[in-house]
Amino acid sequence: QVTLRESGRALVKPTQTLTLTCTFSGFSLDTSGMCVSWIRQPPGKALEWLALIDWEDDKYYSTSLKTRLTISKDTSKNQVVLTMTKMDPVDTATYYCARTPNSGNSLDYWGQGTLVTVSS
Amino acid sequence: QSVLTQPPSVSAAPGQTVTISCSGTSSNIGNHYVSWYQQLPGTAPKLLVYDNNSRPSSIPDRFSGSKSGTSATLGITGLQTGDEADYYCGTWDSSLSAVVFGGGTKLTVL
Repeated sequence: QVTLRESGRALVKPTQTLTLTCTFSGFSLDTSGMCVSWIRQPPGKALEWLALIDWEDDKYYSTSLKTRLTISKDTSKNQVVLTMTKMDPVDTATYYCARTPNSGNSLDYWGQGTLVTVSS
Repeated sequence: QSVLTQPPSVSAAPGQTVTISCSGTSSNIGNHYVSWYQQLPGTAPKLLVYDNNSRPSSIPDRFSGSKSGTSATLGITGLQTGDEADYYCGTWDSSLSAVVFGGGTKLTVL
């Protein structure tokens, strides 16, 4: 059974750095073709993809946010970590992690999401 | 502004059929598989269609996907009130080296 769960601070102040952890089970990021992405969704708005890390530790980032994002993995803990620097109120959103198997394009399992509010 | 273009909303009566379009370019839809996601109110997105026209085993065959050139379409037959949700298309963009989504389409079942 594949599950993913996001965790991290729910409230951050402007200019602070956000650190989110995706803890997963039911698969391994050591498996060929396996990837994990981070996606966010501001309240009432569309999905926005942020970053992806694959089984070979290759990393891909949203063009508009790449200077602020870092994605990493700890396969021994079955975790993927996303850091986002210089948080701003416009970064208030629900943040999701999701799995892509077999080097495909689809995100087949998603976490429940964690709401991050940026406010002083 | 989303890389993929979807209509903001569609509506139809229960039992009817509806289609949702997703338009892109040769760097995304034109050369990569398309996926579709359903997001019910207050929940995480769920994969409905992958690889243009394949369904996870848990998804009923009322949902179907197709692709032609740089556009993709999600079809839903036998509409039910429980289908009211936001629907998103997504794919890989080789120019951006990024996953891209459409802006989402809100389905209302009248």
